[in-house]
Amino acid sequence: DTEVTQTPKHLVMGMTNKKSLKCEQHMGHRAMYWYKQKAKKPPELMFVYSYEKLSINESVPSRFSPECPNSSLLNLHLHALQPEDSALYLCASSQVREGGVEQFFGPGTRLTVL
Amino acid sequence: AQSVTQLDSQVPVFEEAPVELRCNYSSSVSVYLFWYVQYPNQGLQLLLKYLSGSTLVKGINGFEAEFNKSQTSFHLRKPSVHISDTAEYFCAAARGGYQKVTFGTGTKLQVIP
Repeated sequence: DTEVTQTPKHLVMGMTNKKSLKCEQHMGHRAMYWYKQKAKKPPELMFVYSYEKLSINESVPSRFSPECPNSSLLNLHLHALQPEDSALYLCASSQVREGGVEQFFGPGTRLTVL
Repeated sequence: AQSVTQLDSQVPVFEEAPVELRCNYSSSVSVYLFWYVQYPNQGLQLLLKYLSGSTLVKGINGFEAEFNKSQTSFHLRKPSVHISDTAEYFCAAARGGYQKVTFGTGTKLQVIP
């Protein structure tokens, strides 16, 4: 199984809502990532988890709260978002080792904040 | 800091013609290079990667890339494109560790029938 799955595919939420994005992989990867991608732009790294511990937070606002409950799952909890947070949110996973390591990406969640 | 430059934001090309998408990187140490493709409303898929060894790297869907250390380039090529190759292509670089990958700004390949 070389797939990263993400749910939901689309999400529309108001600025006062609380919602969560979910990501799952069964490749045995111990690094998982959240990226934000705006239209016609490259992905921007938000968070990295290594062995279920947060290892990188790219100065992301606290209205985004990541969680890694186990080695296969990654969540992104959303609260009090702004319209400018509307984007495609991509999850990725990879092995944990030095050297050129491929990241496997999920299909993304298209988020619209009204 | 690592940077990746994709010189062309859009490349239109006729079907069955060859194509080259350009990528330059900056680094003073060993670097690992990748090309990813993103079809509309999808995630990124790895086309190919350069880690070490042969400078000509072959990937999926008939794509190949050549690592040129002296020119710090990693251009992507395909000898004959198909309509289904229409997509956004991202060049990326990682230095050492697995965690931080720097993406270029992307090149939209538009294949014209």
